[in-house]
Amino acid sequence: QKEVEQDPGPLSVPEGAIVSLNCTYSNSAFQYFMWYRQYSRKGPELLMYTYSSGNKEDGRFTAQVDKSSKYISLFIRDSQPSDSATYLCAMSLSAGNNRKLIWGLGTSLAVNP
Amino acid sequence: DAGVTQSPTHLIKTRGQQVTLRCSPISGHKSVSWYQQVLGQGPQFIFQYYEKEERGRGNFPDRFSARQFPNYSSELNVNALLLGDSALYLCASSFTLAGGPGELFFGEGSRLTVL
Repeated sequence: QKEVEQDPGPLSVPEGAIVSLNCTYSNSAFQYFMWYRQYSRKGPELLMYTYSSGNKEDGRFTAQVDKSSKYISLFIRDSQPSDSATYLCAMSLSAGNNRKLIWGLGTSLAVNP
Repeated sequence: DAGVTQSPTHLIKTRGQQVTLRCSPISGHKSVSWYQQVLGQGPQFIFQYYEKEERGRGNFPDRFSARQFPNYSSELNVNALLLGDSALYLCASSFTLAGGPGELFFGEGSRLTVL
């Protein structure tokens, strides 16, 4: 079993839809949970990160962590064609350990006008 | 301000050849990390350098090597290329060695194709 599981999709939605992206994990010691967005032929860029359980909101994006279920989610409201990208979840045991990020496979999202 | 820059952006090599990839971190950043991203997968950590010293190595064979220069730029070298080395090679920089989640910035990558 992989430490982090993420459905690769692809996921195709109409413009304006609410998108739900998810990852599950097996290591209960993970503390930091990150979502990166990667456009085609570009490097990943950090969208949001959360510490431990709870929700975090930034504009149209909401990140949720449910440590009891070992499940994290990223919600995108009012999705736009510009949101079409691959979304990668990543996790780490501590804040100061970039090299020990454990990544999901990424979910490919297409938002159709 | 310029972000993390990598060169070349694309290159094609044949099996057995050697390749050198280059990375310039964000100005003021002292740590550079290298990742390999195979199509359809998340990035895999290869190396981290801080202040010109190797500070971390992932599970990659000795064919992979890297170094960091006094100006904090970095090179990744891969010898005796295999077909399986075809991937997007990402460089990421951070100000400190133990940067937090919001402190890692990626370049656009160098896409290597091995024929």
